[in-house]
Amino acid sequence: GENVEQHPSTLSVQEGDSAVIKCTYSDSASNYFPWYKQELGKRPQLIIDIRSNVGEKKDQRIAVTLNKTAKHFSLHITETQPEDSAVYFCAARGAGGGNKLTFGTGTQLKVEL
Amino acid sequence: GAGVSQSPSNKVTEKGKDVELRCDPISGHTALYWYRQRLGQGLEFLIYFQGNSAPDKSGLPSDRFSAERTGESVSTLTIQRTQQEDSAVYLCASSSHRGLGYGYTFGSGTRLTVV
Repeated sequence: GENVEQHPSTLSVQEGDSAVIKCTYSDSASNYFPWYKQELGKRPQLIIDIRSNVGEKKDQRIAVTLNKTAKHFSLHITETQPEDSAVYFCAARGAGGGNKLTFGTGTQLKVEL
Repeated sequence: GAGVSQSPSNKVTEKGKDVELRCDPISGHTALYWYRQRLGQGLEFLIYFQGNSAPDKSGLPSDRFSAERTGESVSTLTIQRTQQEDSAVYLCASSSHRGLGYGYTFGSGTRLTVV
């Protein structure tokens, strides 16, 4: 089955700086890669996603890049703000059928003033 | 409904008792998923439903765990003879399963505490 690794587990940045979170996946047939943001005590919420036929996608201050050859994808947050502080999870949809997502272990992002 | 609804939001139970957790997905979403999230941990897949059938139940930790879905709508996750290690937030999500992957919409979860 699919295996997703995520790094770093914690990330602290100064407000206004950029943050990058990286994930690797094992199933070369995986074709969908969403990112979720989970604030303390809240449900995970989809913030951006990318499909395997696209190399990069951007939505305002967040962007995701995908390298299919290397089987890794990254989340980039620019001009970070305190409200960006949360746990971020990457996920991959493997080729096993259905829409089952395998999640990374999460990155605790802290944006300091 | 407008979102994924889970009940109860919190459940405290004694070790050895059975519990039932309910998930009401977004209307029309054919796929439904259960995940478990232990404190400070990631999301651990349990089972997913396509319609009323469960093509993948590989994540259920033991035979104490079972789930069903009826009417291509509500799903119930049952944990029998609960143990302390079952304490976690149980998250349900649904998605519209068409073609390539679509992101999930998660419910707020049920926080289960086994004492």
